[in-house]
Amino acid sequence: DAGITQSPRHKVTETGTPVTLRCHQTENHRYMYWYRQDPGHGLRLIHYSYGVKDTDKGEVSDGYSVSRSKTEDFLLTLESATSSQTSVYFCAISESQGREKLFFGSGTQLSVL
Amino acid sequence: SQELEQSPQSLIVQEGKNLTINCTSSKTLYGLYWYKQKYGEGLIFLMMLQKGGEEKSHEKITAKLDEKKQQSSLHITASQPSHAGIYLCGAPPGNTGKLIFGQGTTLQVKP
Repeated sequence: DAGITQSPRHKVTETGTPVTLRCHQTENHRYMYWYRQDPGHGLRLIHYSYGVKDTDKGEVSDGYSVSRSKTEDFLLTLESATSSQTSVYFCAISESQGREKLFFGSGTQLSVL
Repeated sequence: SQELEQSPQSLIVQEGKNLTINCTSSKTLYGLYWYKQKYGEGLIFLMMLQKGGEEKSHEKITAKLDEKKQQSSLHITASQPSHAGIYLCGAPPGNTGKLIFGQGTTLQVKP
């Protein structure tokens, strides 16, 4: 299994509070991704990173920001959490971009009340 | 934008039966990935198909890619309770590395 750790695994927070989710990898892969999974929508890409300090938006980036100061860490921040951001968040990594498979973390279940 | 549609959305089969899950793309496929997810866990990579007509097998699971139809199928032979879970197809839009996913197919296998 690829060395990907997501923290926390579960979090309950209140509307309007900032939340940061962490993804840590030990594979030294260049590319990292944040997805959210919701019933009926599959997985949707929030943001991705193609190197340290190099990030770009995915299809559902509104309300989220990311940072990558080290190869191994990719942080996802909900600037002011809303109930619509209640979801399961997955981090993924890949060695290169093109035709490389993605390896996924175990997910973070976030509930915004 | 490209979309992946999976069918059926859910499936209940008796142990030992065969089944097929389909994934249809709204645009040209530049490869197709199949993942499996167990409840509360992350996605496990199953297979990657890169060329039209390509077929791959792993244990009792076979996947095929039909580029002309912009479709892939995942076939499970003699299903077992261990096959239960959510199956997701993913594809890179425009031959990029980022993957988009179908909505998933939930499979239950009754002993």
